[in-house]
This record gives sequence, structure tokens and C-alpha cells, in this order.
Amino acid sequence: DVKVTQSSRYLVKRTGEKVFLECVQDMDHENMFWYRQDPGLGLRLIYFSYDVKMKEKGDIPEGYSVSREKKERFSLILESASTNQTSMYLCASSRPGRIIKQYFGPGTRLTVT
Amino acid sequence: RKEVEQDPGPFNVPEGATVAFNCTYSNSASQSFFWYRQDCRKEPKLLMSVYSSGNEDGRFTAQLNRASQYISLLIRDSKLSDSATYLCVVNLYNFNKFYFGSGTKLNVKP
Repeated sequence: DVKVTQSSRYLVKRTGEKVFLECVQDMDHENMFWYRQDPGLGLRLIYFSYDVKMKEKGDIPEGYSVSREKKERFSLILESASTNQTSMYLCASSRPGRIIKQYFGPGTRLTVT
Repeated sequence: RKEVEQDPGPFNVPEGATVAFNCTYSNSASQSFFWYRQDCRKEPKLLMSVYSSGNEDGRFTAQLNRASQYISLLIRDSKLSDSATYLCVVNLYNFNKFYFGSGTKLNVKP
């Protein structure tokens, strides 16, 4: 069974702090994604990666960066956390292809105070 | 304009009822379509892919109407365990980008 894990379920940080969210998948998937989910807005893509060291911006990359040094690990970095980055962050992975299934991690609920 | 629009609900139905949700998408270049289910405080999980000819999986039937740019999900004989939020997902010409609707909430009551 595919497993996608995220480093924390709940996180509280202060404005201006640098925040690292880690995601690890165990199925050798090429694609990995970071989304944020907010009420009424659905899931919005922040960044995705289709290979080690490769990344592409999603729809809302501002204020975020990512790192993929190993195939199984995809990190989301908030360089200087702000209150409007309070959200649920979801990581997903998949194989490449047309009809593909995304597997999601359990999510990290981040609160920035 | 949002890429994917859904009625947020909630849809409150009794056990055993049949319920249907629609979802509209704005980009005619959309190629792949999915329904995901998300339980409260949990991650989304794939319920079913939606194929052009329509497809069925047990009590669930998904339909795609490309001309009108909408997909639908029909649930027959609703169970209490069907209570969840149902997310419509569309994949555009770039296979790596998925657009999620904000979800339709279903409450199945005894």
C-alpha cells in the first residue's frame, strides 16, 4: 500500500519564522505535489516536482519554495511565515501518465500567529 | 473564474436515498476527470476516475458531458458511511496539474 507521510500533523509558528514541511513517499513515485487547502477555495497547487531536483511552480507559489534532493522526499519551505499562510498543507505523489492516481499524505495544519 | 465549480451543499439525505452531484469545468482542454472523497480532517482519497463513456463502481456512477463541460456523480442506496465531502478534480493538457473543486458536502442521516 502506498504511503505518503508528512512530518507534522499540527504546527504553530510565529510570523517571520522559516518553516519546513517535509513529505516522504515510499512507492518510488516520480511526481510529488504540495497543495494548500482553505475553506471555500479547495486545494490549490503550490509547487510540483516531476523528478529529483526538478520543480515547477503551481498556481500560488509566492512566499514558498521547495526542495527535492531525493526521489522520495519533497520539502516545502516558507521563507518568512505570514498569517495568510495559515492553512492545511497537503502533499501528494503519483506516477507520471494521463489517468493517474494521486496519493495524499495526512496533511499538516499550520497556524502562523 | 474558477477552473472547477461545485455546489458546496450540504446535501442532507436519508439512508437509502439516491443523490447526485454535478461539477462544471471551464477549460475545454481538460483531459482527465476524477472524483475524490474527503472525510472530515482527513486527506482526499480517489473515489473513481471518470471516463468518456461513463463508468460505474458498485453504488457509484460517474458521467462526463464534454459538450456542456460537466461531470456528475450519482450515489444509489446511500449509506451513513457515505457522509463526506466529494471533490471534483480535472486535469488539463499538462498532465501534472490538477484542479480541485472546493467540494460538495454530503450528510446521510438515519
